[in-house]
Amino acid sequence: KAGVTQTPRYLIKTRGQQVTLSCSPISGHRSVSWYQQTPGQGLQFLFEYFSETQRNKGNFPGRFSGRQFSNSRSEMNVSTLELGDSALYLCASSPTGGSNQPQHFGDGTRLSIL
Amino acid sequence: GIQVEQSPPDLILQEGANSTLRCNFSDSVNNLQWFHQNPWGQLINLFYIPSGTKQNGRLSATTVATERYSLLYISSSQTTDSGVYFCAVTGGGADGLTFGKGTHLIIQP
Repeated sequence: KAGVTQTPRYLIKTRGQQVTLSCSPISGHRSVSWYQQTPGQGLQFLFEYFSETQRNKGNFPGRFSGRQFSNSRSEMNVSTLELGDSALYLCASSPTGGSNQPQHFGDGTRLSIL
Repeated sequence: GIQVEQSPPDLILQEGANSTLRCNFSDSVNNLQWFHQNPWGQLINLFYIPSGTKQNGRLSATTVATERYSLLYISSSQTTDSGVYFCAVTGGGADGLTFGKGTHLIIQP
């Protein structure tokens, strides 16, 4: 069974640009969550999607958005990039996203902002 | 929101040593997971353990939910055990996993 797949693995952008990251969950998993990891703030929850609807949201500005498609694949978009958005972005999937289910992580997308 | 504290923050051991990593959390939890993040950034599931004890090879974990802590035991450490170990929890109604700051483990040959 394939794991969670994130693309691309690495990305370099400049301030002011926008970026889209992609995540394909484990087959059969319908919940996809996104996390940001930085040296200063650690791992922080961005949002969760289930059945094409955002179900939960962390404390991030509106520049961070996402969506989920009918096949459960998810994309995350960051607009008007800032230097502080440089981070490892991790995606996780679980069957239905209940808080009593383990989450399985992809290898991440490392985003660098110049 | 729920708070997660991990100790120690850093640990340096010789190959073959045993270690205990601790995770304290501030509220009741529905989900507690231990992860190992390797030097390439991959976050690997070790245990899903909101309560009780589990073992997987040289690793084992115990969560005492009533006392709000979890322990991860690593026995006969190998250099490949190096990396950062994270504890993450979800409390009732909480949004997503809340991670601790991690324990940075270095195993020297």
